[in-house]
Amino acid sequence: KQEVTQIPAALSVPEGENLVLNCSFTDSAIYNLQWFRQDPGKGLTSLLLIQSSQREQTSGRLNASLDKSSGRSTLYIAASQPGDSATYLCAVPGTYKYIFGTGTRLKVLA
Amino acid sequence: DAGVIQSPRHEVTEMGQEVTLRCKPISGHNSLFWYRQTMMRGLELLIYFNNNVPIDDSGMPEDRFSAKMPNASFSTLKIQPSEPRDSAVYFCASEGGRTDTQYFGPGTRLTVL
Repeated sequence: KQEVTQIPAALSVPEGENLVLNCSFTDSAIYNLQWFRQDPGKGLTSLLLIQSSQREQTSGRLNASLDKSSGRSTLYIAASQPGDSATYLCAVPGTYKYIFGTGTRLKVLA
Repeated sequence: DAGVIQSPRHEVTEMGQEVTLRCKPISGHNSLFWYRQTMMRGLELLIYFNNNVPIDDSGMPEDRFSAKMPNASFSTLKIQPSEPRDSAVYFCASEGGRTDTQYFGPGTRLTVL
């Protein structure tokens, strides 16, 4: 049974810092992995989708990497800003569905 | 496209009442998902439709929950009778076209008193 774990559960950093969020999964037979952002009281927004054949994807200040063999993905946020404050979730596809991690709650202090 | 539309955005009801949540997926998407999010359990898939047909409803917690998708542009999730432990945010998501990305609606925050 696929399990997805995210650490840390919460993170507070000063503005401008580079930071790394971690996601690990137990079954490496995945065909993609997604990172989502969730703002308080809002739905989820897809940030990056990494196909299993890729090792990383970049979008602006965000870079996500995928290492299937070790069952890990990281989301790197460069030069963090207060507007980056949100919960970040990773998700891997299971049979017919996505399996989500519990998320990392990020707060970037001005 | 307006994205995935859910209604109502907030629902407060009393225990025992029937609750109906609504979702309009993105036009052209052929997969629809209902999720529930709580602090204790995180985000859980309740049911998944493909081409309007329920494919996996193993996440539906009990018989009080039912979901329908009468056509490609509308789905409902019904809870009858509702209980306080059903209080959560319910998300609808759709997927289709040329991407593997699920697009989420804004959610319905349900409070059962």
